[in-house]
Amino acid sequence: EAGVAQSPRYKIIEKRQSVAFWCNPISGHATLYWYQQILGQGPKLLIQFQNNGVVDDSQLPKDRFSAERLKGVDSTLKIQPAKLEDSAVYLCASSFRRAQETQYFGPGTRLLVL
Amino acid sequence: GENVEQHPSTLSVQEGDSAVIKCTYSDSASNYFPWYKQELGKGPQLIIDIRSNVGEKKDQRIAVTLNKTAKHFSLHITETQPEDSAVYFCAAKGSGGSYIPTFGRGTSLIVHP
Repeated sequence: EAGVAQSPRYKIIEKRQSVAFWCNPISGHATLYWYQQILGQGPKLLIQFQNNGVVDDSQLPKDRFSAERLKGVDSTLKIQPAKLEDSAVYLCASSFRRAQETQYFGPGTRLLVL
Repeated sequence: GENVEQHPSTLSVQEGDSAVIKCTYSDSASNYFPWYKQELGKGPQLIIDIRSNVGEKKDQRIAVTLNKTAKHFSLHITETQPEDSAVYFCAAKGSGGSYIPTFGRGTSLIVHP
């Protein structure tokens, strides 16, 4: 079974620029999550999708972050404009359904904002 | 919301020794406690989990214990090997319906050959 795919793996941008991350979950997984992991900390949820609908985006900084999951499969997370404090690893995870606790994580995208 | 504290932040052991990582949580209604292992450049991988109706669970060299009264749970790794070196995260899922775990800050485990 193929795992969660993410791209790019690394990205370096200057502050105020825009950036987008892509995630392809495990086939058949209805639930998709985006996490932000700042160096030295545990992952923090940004947004959760169930199929193509948003379940929880309470911790997403909506003035600069946006995410979508068109057709309920792939997802894109965008930051516009980026700030220095956005430097982190952005992890995508998926699970078969919302009530299943086991989440499968992708390798993450490491973002550095200069 | 849920708050998870994890200790120590760094743990260095000799190969063959045991390693113990401890976590505490704040929400007494939490009912699911997973542990993740994160190797350099990779995403977290679930290694073991425990539910609130169980006090202990073991899988080969890895075991987890849960004390609901004290609201703490621990990861035990016996006969450590160099490939066990990684960052370990504990997490607790609260009583809300969003099924999102709150993670601890992580423990960097270093196993010296």
